[in-house]
Amino acid sequence: DQQVKQNSPSLSVQEGRISILNCDYTNSMFDYFLWYKKYPAEGPTFLISISSIKDKNEDGRFTVFLNKSAKHLSLHIVPSQPGDSAVYFCAATPGSSGSRLTFGEGTQLTVNP
Amino acid sequence: DGGITQSPKYLFRKEGQNVTLSCEQNLNHDAMYWYRQDPGQGLRLIYYSQIVNDFQKGDIAEGYSVSREKKESFPLTVTSAQKNPTAFYLCASSLRNSPLHFGNGTRLTVT
Repeated sequence: DQQVKQNSPSLSVQEGRISILNCDYTNSMFDYFLWYKKYPAEGPTFLISISSIKDKNEDGRFTVFLNKSAKHLSLHIVPSQPGDSAVYFCAATPGSSGSRLTFGEGTQLTVNP
Repeated sequence: DGGITQSPKYLFRKEGQNVTLSCEQNLNHDAMYWYRQDPGQGLRLIYYSQIVNDFQKGDIAEGYSVSREKKESFPLTVTSAQKNPTAFYLCASSLRNSPLHFGNGTRLTVT
């Protein structure tokens, strides 16, 4: 039972354009959501998070949007840069901490120069 | 330079052998975790420990064992009972109510 789902295995965008990565979840108990970025042969690194009391959180070029009624969140990267090319994982947890996470399958983002 | 060290980066074992993956952190984090990543799948939680001498099973604990004798160390043993041990294993740690910090992983291949 995949409680966190990223339906797009891959996404390709041009440098300077917006990248939108999507994530859906099924567990109503999830109330804290995170995005991690992963380069090959490295561990994931934390990118941005959002609590269920908010619908948007912004950090520089990265913005996460949360639609609780649709159980959907998205990560917007603008403008996209070639260095953003990586696998992006969405994760969720039924608590305010970042621990005991349930991860999605990941989306490979490729930003073309 | 604080961080999480997983060793070795690549590990090869014969089927039927137990193998232990090392994870050490010098971040003074209380909680530590082991995840497994398979192609096309997200990270799945194997075991986690929120305090020394205590640990809990995650979603896929069967065939694995852990110990937490020291705050900075959380070794994972992949036993011969684990049916599909070949995978990329990631160790992580965290402070309470903070995002996880991950190590760079160990790729285990069992033939």
